[in-house]
Amino acid sequence: TQLLEQSPQFLSIQEGENLTVYCNSSSVFSSLQWYRQEPGEGPVLLVTVVTGGEVKKLKRLTFQFGDARKDSSLHITAAQPGDTGLYLCAGARTNAGKSTFGDGTTLTVKP
Amino acid sequence: NAGVMQNPRHLVRRRGQEARLRCSPMKGHSHVYWYRQLPEEGLKFMVYLQKENIIDESGMPKERFSAEFPKEGPSILRIQQVVRGDSAAYFCASSPPGTSGKYNEQFFGPGTRLTVL
Repeated sequence: TQLLEQSPQFLSIQEGENLTVYCNSSSVFSSLQWYRQEPGEGPVLLVTVVTGGEVKKLKRLTFQFGDARKDSSLHITAAQPGDTGLYLCAGARTNAGKSTFGDGTTLTVKP
Repeated sequence: NAGVMQNPRHLVRRRGQEARLRCSPMKGHSHVYWYRQLPEEGLKFMVYLQKENIIDESGMPKERFSAEFPKEGPSILRIQQVVRGDSAAYFCASSPPGTSGKYNEQFFGPGTRLTVL
């Protein structure tokens, strides 16, 4: 059973465009992380959201945690080629050490 | 400030051989997680360890796979009698004590890419 559904699976856009990727679940998470992974490397933590409705900004990236803590979104403004990569969301349940990962959104930003 | 280290980065084994993957967590981190990733997929949890203890191995195959995190030295993921289906990237992550289960922020190593011929 896939607990975290990410959409879209693939996204190819031109430099300067905006985009949103989604991470949805029927389960409640105590915290949710977003990671970015480049080919041949491990995931790099971008942000953690823990409070329902929370919004966090990281330069041109805006992360939102749903009110019910079941879903999240990542919005990128004016995408750049350096944003290219695999974006992964991961959720943690209360008192669980492991994280459950979505299958990711592969983003390609063309110059 | 060294991050999570994994070695080897690439490992080639023939069917039936053993594969040993090593992970040194970040300094001060006592929690280690192992994940497996197939191409263009997310990470699948395998096992969660603290020093000398396996906390959660619900994602580990029942046979041929084992993991340890001794008091001294790196964490080891061991795969016996490898088969072609074991070919994947294996990632280790670590976290400091006290955060697990609440914020669960994990810091990943660069991975070991296992190829079984």
